[in-house]
Amino acid sequence: QVTLRESGPALVKSTQTLTLTCTFSGFSLDTSGMSVAWIRQTPGKALEWLVRIDWDDNKEYNSFLRSRLTISKDTSKNLVVLSLANVDPLDTATYFCARIQGMLTDYWGQGTLVTVSS
Amino acid sequence: AVQLTQSPSSLSASIGDRVTMTCRASQAIHTALAWYQQRPGEAPTLLIYDASTLESGVASRFSGSGSGTTFTLTISSLQPDDFATYYCHQCSGYPLTFGPGTKVDLK
Repeated sequence: QVTLRESGPALVKSTQTLTLTCTFSGFSLDTSGMSVAWIRQTPGKALEWLVRIDWDDNKEYNSFLRSRLTISKDTSKNLVVLSLANVDPLDTATYFCARIQGMLTDYWGQGTLVTVSS
Repeated sequence: AVQLTQSPSSLSASIGDRVTMTCRASQAIHTALAWYQQRPGEAPTLLIYDASTLESGVASRFSGSGSGTTFTLTISSLQPDDFATYYCHQCSGYPLTFGPGTKVDLK
């Protein structure tokens, strides 16, 4: 059974760095074709794809956030870490991690709500 | 980036109704489109991929069709669990994008 769970602070202040962890089970990130992505959902419910990391450590970023995003993985611990630097209240959202096979996002975590205060 | 639009943005329907919603892409994406259902307070769940392939375990009342720039999700007979928001998602190229959603509520 594939599961993913996001964890991290619920509240961060403007200009700080937000760090979120995705802990997963039921698959391995050292399996060819496997990836984990981060997607966020704004308070208005729009879904925004942020970044993915692949089994071979390849990374694909949404270009509009690339300068602020960092993604890494620890295959031995089944976790992926997302960092978003210099946050702004506009970064307030529910952040999801999700499994990707090939290009298909098939399983999502429950999401974690992050509020950025000014 | 491929932009996705969905119509209608919301619809009201009754149990047993046939419901259809549309997703349009700003450029051709062949069949690289998925549909997700999201109930309030929950994560999205995959319904359809490759435009028309039903995800394992998803009820057969859901179906998808289309290719190129126009895609459709149909619920053949609306059930109480189906009141939710439906998002389309293109996985043709980066950045991956989502439509704004179609919210289905009870008439």
